Amino acid sequence: SQKIEQNSEALNIQEGKTATLTCNYTNYSPAYLQWYRQDPGRGPVFLLLIRENEKEKRKERLKVTFDTTLKQSLFHITASQPADSATYLCALAAFGNEKLTFGTGTRLTIIP
Amino acid sequence: EPEVTQTPSHQVTQMGQEVILRCVPISNHLYFYWYRQILGQKVEFLVSFYNNEISEKSEIFDDQFSVERPDGSNFTLKIRSTKLEDSAMYFCASNRQGGKNTEAFFGQGTRLTVV
Repeated sequence: SQKIEQNSEALNIQEGKTATLTCNYTNYSPAYLQWYRQDPGRGPVFLLLIRENEKEKRKERLKVTFDTTLKQSLFHITASQPADSATYLCALAAFGNEKLTFGTGTRLTIIP
Repeated sequence: EPEVTQTPSHQVTQMGQEVILRCVPISNHLYFYWYRQILGQKVEFLVSFYNNEISEKSEIFDDQFSVERPDGSNFTLKIRSTKLEDSAMYFCASNRQGGKNTEAFFGQGTRLTVV
């Protein structure tokens, strides 16, 4: 069965350092992968989308990589700030399919 | 900035009762979705809706669930006879051209508590 795993349930990073979150998947051939941020009691907020034929995408302090051979995406936040503290979700979708399949999320805490 | 709005933010209902969760997607969006998130668990797909019909539904979306777009702006999820295990956050989402190339915009959710 399809499985999407995010490396750890919780991650604590010192302010100013780079936070790296991992998303691994099995039994899946995604056409694209998205990363979302979710704050407690709120809906997911879109951050970045990367397609199967793209290796890397950047947006300000955020960077996403996508390795379809390793079946893995890495999500980096550089120069992390306490305001970056949240749960980060990866979500995959197959080609021609609109639904998103979410991972369980990683709760990131940036320590001042 | 346009946003997806959901009402109510919190709904408490007795087991066996019907509930309707309401959503107003972003106005020029064409694809609409409902997801749910049980406390402490992952966000799960329920149903997608395009061109006034369901395009896909998950195993969770059984005969107790239905969706409707009664007018040009609202998108509703009805649960006919609620069960305790239906307690969750329900998120409505929309996007312009289907999931393939565009981000999904999520509402803030309705917290449904079945007692």
